[in-house]
Amino acid sequence: DVKVTQSSRYLVKRTGEKVFLECVQDMDHENMFWYRQDPGLGLRLIYFSYDVKMKEKGDIPEGYSVSREKKERFSLILESASTNQTSMYLCASKDLGRGNTEAFFGQGTRLTVV
Amino acid sequence: DQQVKQNSPSLSVQEGRISILNCDYTNSMFDYFLWYKKYPAEGPTFLISISSIKDKNEDGRFTVFLNKSAKHLSLHIVPSQPGDSAVYFCAASDAGANNLFFGTGTRLTVIP
Repeated sequence: DVKVTQSSRYLVKRTGEKVFLECVQDMDHENMFWYRQDPGLGLRLIYFSYDVKMKEKGDIPEGYSVSREKKERFSLILESASTNQTSMYLCASKDLGRGNTEAFFGQGTRLTVV
Repeated sequence: DQQVKQNSPSLSVQEGRISILNCDYTNSMFDYFLWYKKYPAEGPTFLISISSIKDKNEDGRFTVFLNKSAKHLSLHIVPSQPGDSAVYFCAASDAGANNLFFGTGTRLTVIP
């Protein structure tokens, strides 16, 4: 059974803290993604990676960075957390190549910045 | 600019009736379309997909219809069940793309 695991379900952090969100997949997928979900805005892409050490900006990369040192692991970093980064964060992975495959999501991390 | 749009934020349907969720897209290069279902505090789960070479795909109670000329797809759920109550996201990609583009979601409530 395919699995994408995010390290935390719920996190509460203070403004200005550096925050790490970790994601691991066991499907040997090349592509990994970080989205955030906000009411009325759907899923917005922050960053994605199509290979180890490769990354591409999504629609809303400001205030975030990512790291992919190993194929199975993709980390999202909030350099200095702010209250407008309070959100549900979703990691996903997808097979590379032709576009017609689905992405598999982790269970999500609900981050609250106070 | 939003390339995938779901113009109905919410939909309420009686149990046993049909639920129809709609999605529009603007990019004519999209050739693969997906529907995801999401419960609160969980990640989205894949529901059903359709390739642009088809205009219909069925899986049990779920059917997706694609109208390429109108750049429109819809998800039909028949019969609707209370457990179908969730947020449904439409997504699209083009051949060779590494990315999926998502709509803003429609919250479906099935009333027992």
